[in-house]
Amino acid sequence: EPEVTQTPSHQVTQMGQEVILRCVPISNHLYFYWYRQILGQKVEFLVSFYNNEISEKSEIFDDQFSVERPDGSNFTLKIRSTKLEDSAMYFCASTGTGFNGELFFGEGSRLTVL
Amino acid sequence: AQSVTQLDSQVPVFEEAPVELRCNYSSSVSVYLFWYVQYPNQGLQLLLKYLSGSTLVESINGFEAEFNKSQTSFHLRKPSVHISDTAEYFCAVSSQGGSEKLVFGKGTKLTVNP
Repeated sequence: EPEVTQTPSHQVTQMGQEVILRCVPISNHLYFYWYRQILGQKVEFLVSFYNNEISEKSEIFDDQFSVERPDGSNFTLKIRSTKLEDSAMYFCASTGTGFNGELFFGEGSRLTVL
Repeated sequence: AQSVTQLDSQVPVFEEAPVELRCNYSSSVSVYLFWYVQYPNQGLQLLLKYLSGSTLVESINGFEAEFNKSQTSFHLRKPSVHISDTAEYFCAVSSQGGSEKLVFGKGTKLTVNP
């Protein structure tokens, strides 16, 4: 069964460093998303991406964050200068022809900022 | 804006007992409603959804949820749980015809004991 894959599964970084989280969405999907979950808190929407551009972003997704689809398969989330409060589990998701709530999520990338 | 409240952070039950996981939402517009499940070390998976039509929706593994508009609830129920149902369950909403983002509750950790 097709699945969304994310790398790395866990990354530890120093505050101020740049981090890139990678995702390979399901191959025929067109809509891509990043969500995050800080430990003990809700899963929060960060950004949605369609047709090579951001379609919606939350207030969390400030200038420190960026997304890119550098080729036909990868979808990346970059955090330019990490802060302690960026420590969280980051989930990538994708969906096919349109939004009906059925997002397919990856297993997540745990980011720890020291 | 929407919000989701899952009052129970943890629900321990014995195998073959019934269970209800509560979800209430707040929204100024009509919504779609979802339950996602996260098994240990896996990503979020869609369990069931309400988009329109019958207010009672069912999953393939015996869970059901009922959309109650007057009580703004979408509680998840199963008449007899199995050990394999142990997981974290997330209720989520999105607005109909508007933003495609999902707004999640904090999750309920269901532990089924033998």
